Amino acid sequence: AQSVTQLDSQVPVFEEAPVELRCNYSSSVSVYLFWYVQYPNQGLQLLLKYLSGSTLVKGINGFEAEFNKSQTSFHLRKPSVHISDTAEYFCAVSGDANAGKSTFGDGTTLTVKP
Amino acid sequence: GAVVSQHPSWVICKSGTSVKIECRSLDFQATTMFWYRQFPKQSLMLMATSNEGSKATYEQGVEKDKFLINHASLTLSTLTVTSAHPEDSSFYICSASFALSNSPLHFGNGTRLTVT
Repeated sequence: AQSVTQLDSQVPVFEEAPVELRCNYSSSVSVYLFWYVQYPNQGLQLLLKYLSGSTLVKGINGFEAEFNKSQTSFHLRKPSVHISDTAEYFCAVSGDANAGKSTFGDGTTLTVKP
Repeated sequence: GAVVSQHPSWVICKSGTSVKIECRSLDFQATTMFWYRQFPKQSLMLMATSNEGSKATYEQGVEKDKFLINHASLTLSTLTVTSAHPEDSSFYICSASFALSNSPLHFGNGTRLTVT
């Protein structure tokens, strides 16, 4: 069984400030971790993924995440956010590198204010 | 890059009618497609896994006779909501993956279903 907890349901932040969206997971098997972004009335877009190797993963739009096995975390970070980063962000865990049958967190609403 | 097209993007139907939602992989062959349901301000709930040429595998609590899934080709899966009721109103999203390892999951843009 696997589960994902996104620790913050809403994160307001000012433009050009750094941001961290927190994600903790639990799994009884090997984990593959993903972050997705969802804009209103749209599907999900993959930001980045951790499959193996380096624990620091860089993704699109300037986002990065760090896999911490001891803390079972996969927090998403961006050093300087833009208004356009306002969206819903989902952390997901899968026992399958193809991300099939992923378990999604409840999402974090990132609101970037001018 | 790979694209998944979902149609329609929104649909309004009367209670008791059926609605079909299509999910197409445009430039790759998707051996597996997934159907999700998303309630407002909530996460995605996996409804079923659709494999080309075989019956879909439904998650616990999802009525297979209510949500008919057909994956007749490597590029098309359909979800039919039969005898829709207002409680079926939701945002439905499909995703598709290659058979290759380490390939990402590609999502459609979702279908907003409103049953009146």
